[in-house]
Amino acid sequence: GQNIDQPTEMTATEGAIVQINCTYQTSGFNGLFWYQQHAGEAPTFLSYNVLDGLEEKGRFSSFLSRSKGYSYLLLKELQMKDSASYLCAVREPYNQGGKLIFGQGTELSVKP
Amino acid sequence: KAGVTQTPRYLIKTRGQQVTLSCSPISGHRSVSWYQQTPGQGLQFLFEYFSETQRNKGNFPGRFSGRQFSNSRSEMNVSTLELGDSALYLCASSTDWTRLYEQYFGPGTRLTVT
Repeated sequence: GQNIDQPTEMTATEGAIVQINCTYQTSGFNGLFWYQQHAGEAPTFLSYNVLDGLEEKGRFSSFLSRSKGYSYLLLKELQMKDSASYLCAVREPYNQGGKLIFGQGTELSVKP
Repeated sequence: KAGVTQTPRYLIKTRGQQVTLSCSPISGHRSVSWYQQTPGQGLQFLFEYFSETQRNKGNFPGRFSGRQFSNSRSEMNVSTLELGDSALYLCASSTDWTRLYEQYFGPGTRLTVT
């Protein structure tokens, strides 16, 4: 089966650092994606990891450990505009179709 | 470059009716995927089209169907609507089905079934 777990909600303070975890148990793996979705808007792509390690992109970094079925998204120097839902998604291998399987999302609230 | 567009943006239908939603991908994108988003189930994959062919299908009943035209525009249809079909329907496009890291979502169609 396919199972992707993320915390439902998190709260952090402006200027701080927050780490959003994602664990997955899937029958195959072909990459892990993070998306940001503001209320009432479409998801926007943040990061993509297919190999173990840390990918850094400005204030956002994403880490992957395939052996542990684990990823996290790290947001530094939090801003109020970072308040949003963060979606973790695992891609199936191409020979299984290659579709994205999403977690339920983590609702992040940034407080002043 | 124009983004992904979806029409209509909002729709109210009655149980038992059918509905057709439209998605126009970014120019040059040939892959279109459809997702259903609800508070309880999150974002779930419906189906994906590439070059007018359905490449992939999620675990939804046969009431949900779609197609893609030669200009890459896509439509999805839901027949015999049920209350549980109330959701935000999102489409996303990419240049091809292997390049999901370049996938862009449209604003969605909010469907309410009464």
